[in-house]
Amino acid sequence: GAVVSQHPSWVICKSGTSVKIECRSLDFQATTMFWYRQFPKQSLMLMATSNEGSKATYEQGVEKDKFLINHASLTLSTLTVTSAHPEDSSFYICSARVVRAGGDHSNQPQHFGDGTRLSIL
Amino acid sequence: GNSVTQMEGPVTLSEEAFLTINCTYTATGYPSLFWYVQYPGEGLQLLLKATKADDKGSNKGFEATYRKETTSFHLEKGSVQVSDSAVYFCALPANTGNQFYFGTGTSLTVIP
Repeated sequence: GAVVSQHPSWVICKSGTSVKIECRSLDFQATTMFWYRQFPKQSLMLMATSNEGSKATYEQGVEKDKFLINHASLTLSTLTVTSAHPEDSSFYICSARVVRAGGDHSNQPQHFGDGTRLSIL
Repeated sequence: GNSVTQMEGPVTLSEEAFLTINCTYTATGYPSLFWYVQYPGEGLQLLLKATKADDKGSNKGFEATYRKETTSFHLEKGSVQVSDSAVYFCALPANTGNQFYFGTGTSLTVIP
């Protein structure tokens, strides 16, 4: 089945550091990937939609200069948290959906990475 | 637009108890419906899905039936185990694009 790999799984770093998180689709191509943020005991909050070869689409209230998204290939999207501060500490999850050209993808599930726990000291 | 409303948690059950987690949806047309499970410290895993009305998705003893008349997709399991302790999310796709909408999640704790 479709697999999405996310790396790293855990990051601890000092305030002011920039952190890059990678999301890869291992056995399918993903023109679109999604980045979520999840606070403890809460649901997923969609941050942005990553589009291969074009700019990401950010949800309202998400700072695009703070959370840089690059989707340079059909199998890789990256989220960079720039100049991270303690309030950026969270669980970040990416997902992708298998979409075949000309096919009906309405019953295709989202496939998720295992998440990245980011802790800013 | 499409949306889901999910039963609030947390839910605590004894082992072998019956589980129901309610999920109702609002949608244009009849999109596929999904349940995801998130174990502690992990990402989301697809648990089951149903692609059309009256379909029943099932996996690992969990079941959910796509009910058009009540716009519901309740998750059930006849006998829960400690290993089922996790957070469960109901979800459906947006009308356009590839985005999914998720419920708020229901935390389940099963005690021996």
